[in-house]
Amino acid sequence: GQNIDQPTEMTATEGAIVQINCTYQTSGFNGLFWYQQHAGEAPTFLSYNVLDGLEEKGRFSSFLSRSKGYSYLLLKELQMKDSASYLCAVVDSNYQLIWGAGTKLIIKP
Amino acid sequence: IAGITQAPTSQILAAGRRMTLRCTQDMRHNAMYWYRQDLGLGLRLIHYSNTAGTTGKGEVPDGYSVSRANTDDFPLTLASAVPSQTSVYFCASSDGTGDPKQQFFGPGTRLTVL
Repeated sequence: GQNIDQPTEMTATEGAIVQINCTYQTSGFNGLFWYQQHAGEAPTFLSYNVLDGLEEKGRFSSFLSRSKGYSYLLLKELQMKDSASYLCAVVDSNYQLIWGAGTKLIIKP
Repeated sequence: IAGITQAPTSQILAAGRRMTLRCTQDMRHNAMYWYRQDLGLGLRLIHYSNTAGTTGKGEVPDGYSVSRANTDDFPLTLASAVPSQTSVYFCASSDGTGDPKQQFFGPGTRLTVL
């Protein structure tokens, strides 16, 4: 079967750094997306990785290891507005997105 | 403003009733998708369309039907609603298939079936 695992909830402090992990087992792999979803809103695109390594985009970075079936999203200099759910999604062999349940990130002052 | 719109924003529906959720995009994207999102579960694909005139079944298609008469519109119909279809429904689109592209999401429809 296909499986995406993420922690259900994480808590971090404003100004700190947090790493959200995602492990996957899917039928084929054609890339991995990270999306942000604020409560009651639609998911919005953060990053896309298809090759191993780190992709940096401002305060957010995403890392991929295809051999380990592992990715993480790194958020630096946390702000209160970063309180949201972070969704990991893998593109399978049929080019469909398989979604994790999401990680709810709570930022405390 | 370019994007995806969905209607209605929310709806309470009696079991057994028929309901169509509307989705329209103005980005001229080829591919469109319908997902449902339930607490504790990831987004689950209901149906998709790679281009106007074609549709396909996703992970959880039972009880739902779609059509894609043109590029912009992708309505989702519940023929006879059941309480297990209570969920938040998101429509999404992307500008191509075969090469992973980010999906853009509509604001969602919150549906409650009693």
